[in-house]
Amino acid sequence: DAKTTQPTSMDCAEGRAANLPCNHSTISGNEYVYWYRQIHSQGPQYIIHGLKNNETNEMASLIITEDRKSSTLILPHATLRDTAVYYCIVRVAFKAAGNKLTFGGGTRVLVKP
Amino acid sequence: GAGVSQSPSNKVTEKGKDVELRCDPISGHTALYWYRQRLGQGLEFLIYFQGNSAPDKSGLPSDRFSAERTGESVSTLTIQRTQQEDSAVYLCASNNVNEKLFFGSGTQLSVL
Repeated sequence: DAKTTQPTSMDCAEGRAANLPCNHSTISGNEYVYWYRQIHSQGPQYIIHGLKNNETNEMASLIITEDRKSSTLILPHATLRDTAVYYCIVRVAFKAAGNKLTFGGGTRVLVKP
Repeated sequence: GAGVSQSPSNKVTEKGKDVELRCDPISGHTALYWYRQRLGQGLEFLIYFQGNSAPDKSGLPSDRFSAERTGESVSTLTIQRTQQEDSAVYLCASNNVNEKLFFGSGTQLSVL
């Protein structure tokens, strides 16, 4: 699975949009981009995933560049409860074996009042 | 149950003792994973079970670590002769193949 690069940490203001970047320059054509987050003292939680097209759900939006070498997770109106570590992961969705997700260091996001 | 359940939530043990950590996955999920997370660190893959296939043990750090899974239900992670460096949160997750992972809240293991 391709490696990802994320900033170590970032702050954002409550009520504002939070834009979390992720670089995955070695991504393959059949690899998806997944985002999970981990709130303190909890297990990671799935947020969203996508292949080529931009995706939106009730939690966030995912913008993937045309060359697919980078993506941005957007939390449209950050709240204090969005303070967490956010993990960007790329992997093949339909693997016959080795279905594990490999988590990197993630971005520690602090939402400030 | 409604989610992935792990027990105990906290475990304190003495160096050299054996410990068993339990995971109850979401009913019907065929895949089960164990991860380890040391304080302030990312998640470290340990082992993966998928149906009746041979488990992927590639992440187990030493032969002191082992895991079993009964059918498509409960899994137990066993650490023998615990060391202080084994202190971490041990997270279990389950899913059906190619679907999102659901994680439990983890077991905080402290080895004194």
